[in-house]
This record gives sequence, structure tokens and C-alpha cells, in this order.
Amino acid sequence: DAGVTQSPTHLIKTRGQQVTLRCSPKSGHDTVSWYQQALGQEPQFIFQYYEEEERQRGNFPDRFSGHQFPNYSSELNVNALLLGDSALYLCASSLFGAGGNTEAFFGQGTRLTVV
Amino acid sequence: SQQGEEDPQALSIQEGENATMNCSYKTSINNLQWYRQNSGRGLVHLILIRSNEREKHSGRLRVTLDTSKKSSSLLITASRAADTASYFCATDFMNRDDKIIFGKGTRLHILP
Repeated sequence: DAGVTQSPTHLIKTRGQQVTLRCSPKSGHDTVSWYQQALGQEPQFIFQYYEEEERQRGNFPDRFSGHQFPNYSSELNVNALLLGDSALYLCASSLFGAGGNTEAFFGQGTRLTVV
Repeated sequence: SQQGEEDPQALSIQEGENATMNCSYKTSINNLQWYRQNSGRGLVHLILIRSNEREKHSGRLRVTLDTSKKSSSLLITASRAADTASYFCATDFMNRDDKIIFGKGTRLHILP
């Protein structure tokens, strides 16, 4: 049973470019959340997708957008990259509506470096 | 403001000793989860404790939850070098959906 998988593992982009990160949730999970983790900091919530819709959003600009596909996998897109977008991007999968009784499992992350 | 805060921020102990980390949060929760992270890699899920539970064990891990004080602790017994990592607590929000918010974490270093 595959856990949460993210691709790519590492990525280097130039300021102003656009990037797409991908996530496949754990089997049986239907909800994907994305987090940004700067070096030495805790993960910060970006947004959450369920039923192919963005359900919640953290304090991130519109340059950050996402998508969820019918197979529950998800993409995170970041436009007009800034140096400050350099971070580890983490994807978490969970089961929606389990009454707060479901664990959230994380992938290994994508390390994005903006130069 | 963030939901969870942890202390200490950093902890160094000798191998074989017990390590205790604490987490405090601000609002009512459905559950609290603890994660381990090695050197900026992915988060490994350690344990989930529900709001109606007071203590939970998993191997060398013991987690307690005091909802009246809005706090939790993670105890690692008989620490090993491989336990060196950052540990984060994460909480959800009662009566809301499944977003979880992380505390700032405790950086644990096990000395040989």
C-alpha cells in the first residue's frame, strides 16, 4: 500500500518562473492538503482540496493555486516565483469527515529552490 | 495566531535518557497529532490522540493530553541516536474540518 508520494523531490527554478508540484494521496484517502515549510520553521498551511474543490486556504497569495483530480491526486502551482518561495513543500492526505479521527500522512516533500 | 506552541525549542540529552516535549494549544480540538521530521525531510506520523483520550502509547512513545489545560506531552523513553530529529505537534479545530496547524517544534538531539 503506497503512502503519500510527491514529485519531483527537488526542483530549481528561476525567479519569475512558474512551477507545478504533484502529490498522490495514500490509498483510501480523499483529501489533500499542501504545506510550505521554510528552513528551520514549522509547516504552514497553504490550502486543502476535497471533491476537487479548494475547501480551505491559509494566508498565501493568489500566486499559489491548486487542483485536485478525480483520482484524488493533486497539484500545487506557484506563479511568478519569488526568492522567498524557496522551501520544502509538503503534501498531506487524510480522509474527510472522519470526525477528527483520521491521521494526516505526509509525503517526503518537494524541495524548491528559487534562484 | 498559531494553534500550537511547543517547548522546549531545543533539547539535548544523553542516549538512554528519556526525552519529554510539551505542546500547548489555544482552541478546542478534535485531536492532536505528533510528527517527527529528520533533517528537512518529510513528516513521519507518530501518534494521534483524540480529545476524549488522556494517554496513548506506541512502543517507546507515550503521549498525554490534558484538554482542560490545552496541553499535550510526548515522552520518548530510552532514547537512541536515531531519535535525533525535530518533533512537531499538530492540532485541528473542533467542529470544523480537517485542516491541521503545527506548533513550532522541538529540536531533539541525542548525544552518544
